[in-house]
Amino acid sequence: QVTLKESGPALVKPTQTLTLTCTFSGFSLSTSGMRVSWIRQPPGKALEWLARIDWDDDKFYSTSLKTRLTISKDTSKNQVVLTMTNMDPVDTATYYCARTAVAAYYFDYWGQGTLVTVSS
Amino acid sequence: QSALTQPASVSGSPGQSITISCTGTSSDVGSYNLVSWYQQHPGKAPKLMIYEDSKRPSGVSNRFSGSKSGNTASLTISGLQAEDEADYYCCSYAGSSTWVFGGGTKLTVL
Repeated sequence: QVTLKESGPALVKPTQTLTLTCTFSGFSLSTSGMRVSWIRQPPGKALEWLARIDWDDDKFYSTSLKTRLTISKDTSKNQVVLTMTNMDPVDTATYYCARTAVAAYYFDYWGQGTLVTVSS
Repeated sequence: QSALTQPASVSGSPGQSITISCTGTSSDVGSYNLVSWYQQHPGKAPKLMIYEDSKRPSGVSNRFSGSKSGNTASLTISGLQAEDEADYYCCSYAGSSTWVFGGGTKLTVL
């Protein structure tokens, strides 16, 4: 079955760079049409789409955050990595990775999420 | 992109029906038949309930239905049950391989 799991630091300091890893199973990012996105949710607030990487290594970013985000993949390890630079307390959130299947425009499987707190 | 507009909260009694609206623009909701809805219980990851405006994934109760008119999409839950109490988020494809979510609606089952 399809599973995704996020990992990374629970606490980062302001101005630091955050690196999160999404490790997945049950599908391959080398399959034509497969995609993985990162989505975040500040405590008590709404979901926000951040970035997406496709099977062919195409990458797409939120307009408001694109200067701070980098998404990459390691197909052999079934992993997708998100880096976010210049972290700020407003970036405190639960970060999710989610799959978008072939020819789909929705997120059918989600990881459990990882809470990242930005504080000095 | 600006977030889609949802009511902050809705409520209903068991057995009743409720509808949650999701208003976007002609650049997102109104341009594509690609609105999806997610249910999120406290401390849990979102779960896909509706995709492509009105389609239900396998395993989702047929008490959940979606529709759309113009720039506004709607999620209707019929025969409310206690387990339906959760936050609900709409999401629309917004072009150029980007997505926009709604602000979320808290459903209370009285």
